[in-house]
Amino acid sequence: KQEVTQIPAALSVPEGENLVLNCSFTDSAIYNLQWFRQDPGKGLTSLLLIQSSQREQTSGRLNASLDKSSGRSTLYIAASQPGDSATYLCATTQGGSEKLVFGKGMKLTVNP
Amino acid sequence: NAGVMQNPRHLVRRRGQEARLRCSPMKGHSHVYWYRQLPEEGLKFMVYLQKENIIDESGMPKERFSAEFPKEGPSILRIQQVVRGDSAAYFCASSNTGKTQYFGPGTRLLVL
Repeated sequence: KQEVTQIPAALSVPEGENLVLNCSFTDSAIYNLQWFRQDPGKGLTSLLLIQSSQREQTSGRLNASLDKSSGRSTLYIAASQPGDSATYLCATTQGGSEKLVFGKGMKLTVNP
Repeated sequence: NAGVMQNPRHLVRRRGQEARLRCSPMKGHSHVYWYRQLPEEGLKFMVYLQKENIIDESGMPKERFSAEFPKEGPSILRIQQVVRGDSAAYFCASSNTGKTQYFGPGTRLLVL
């Protein structure tokens, strides 16, 4: 059974810092891994998707890496801004299925 | 191309009533997934459907919950005889390849 863990549960930083968000998973037999952003009371916005054959993906100030052998993914946020404040969710697939297993998320606060 | 649409966005029901949640996938998408986010918990998979077929319902409660995705029209998640513990945000996602899932804004169900 796939389990996804995100530590810490919350992070508060001053504006401008480069951030590292961690995600670990127990079953390395995955199709892909996705990072999402969720604003309070809102839906999920997909940030980056890494296929199981890939090592990383980049979009603007965001970079996500994937190490299947160690069961880890990392989301890097460069030069953080107050607008980055949100909950960040990591999700991956379970075994041969397509359903996503989510971590509980990390609540990020970037202070001006 | 409109994104995944869900309605209603907010739904209030009294205990014992029925709740019907609708999801219109992105144009061209034939895969639909339903997830539930309970207060202070992560998102949990409920059911995966393709047109007219339930592919995986391993996350659905055994009683009172049902889902369908007819040939025409939106996918429906139906909860009969709602109880307070059903209060949650229900998210629908769609995909056309079973890979990247795009999420809707969610329906927030409150059971009084």
